[in-house]
Amino acid sequence: EDQVTQSPEALRLQEGESSSLNCSYTVSGLRGLFWYRQDPGKGPEFLFTLYSAGEEKEKERLKATLTKKESFLHITAPKPEDSATYLCAVQDYGGSQGNLIFGKGTKLSVKP
Amino acid sequence: KAGVTQTPRYLIKTRGQQVTLSCSPISGHRSVSWYQQTPGQGLQFLFEYFSETQRNKGNFPGRFSGRQFSNSRSEMNVSTLELGDSALYLCASSLAGGGEAEAFFGQGTRLTVV
Repeated sequence: EDQVTQSPEALRLQEGESSSLNCSYTVSGLRGLFWYRQDPGKGPEFLFTLYSAGEEKEKERLKATLTKKESFLHITAPKPEDSATYLCAVQDYGGSQGNLIFGKGTKLSVKP
Repeated sequence: KAGVTQTPRYLIKTRGQQVTLSCSPISGHRSVSWYQQTPGQGLQFLFEYFSETQRNKGNFPGRFSGRQFSNSRSEMNVSTLELGDSALYLCASSLAGGGEAEAFFGQGTRLTVV
């Protein structure tokens, strides 16, 4: 059974304090791994798609990396506006087109 | 370019009633997926439609159903509402629904069952 586990559940950082969020996954065949950001009361906002081990993508203060078993979302010198819940999702080649399997998310709080 | 539009944004229904939610995807997108989000379970896949056909379905009871129209707009229906159906219902659209295409989410419909 496909599974996605995110850690930590919650993370509090001071502005400028860099850190990483983890997403561990178990799938029969990875079609793609996705990172989303979700603000309270809103739908998830797409950040990155990663397809193969070793791939990296960057956007402003965020950098996503992928290995065969996990993905990391690195946040460099975060600002208060980076506070949100970050969601990781995978899509399995095994059959589920259009079906993203989500982790429970990491709630990030960045204090000024 | 307009994003994914979900209506209504908020709904309050009584246990036993039924409800219909609507989703208009991004222009040109043919795949629409529906998800239920609750604090305890997170985001869970309901079903996906592509070119008016249900292509995949998650592990939800038959009270949850959906359809897609020729213009790619989609509706989901929940019959005989239960208190546990209270959740944020999210719709996501993508070009084709495959892993090569990103899914973009709407703002969701907040359903409260009393």
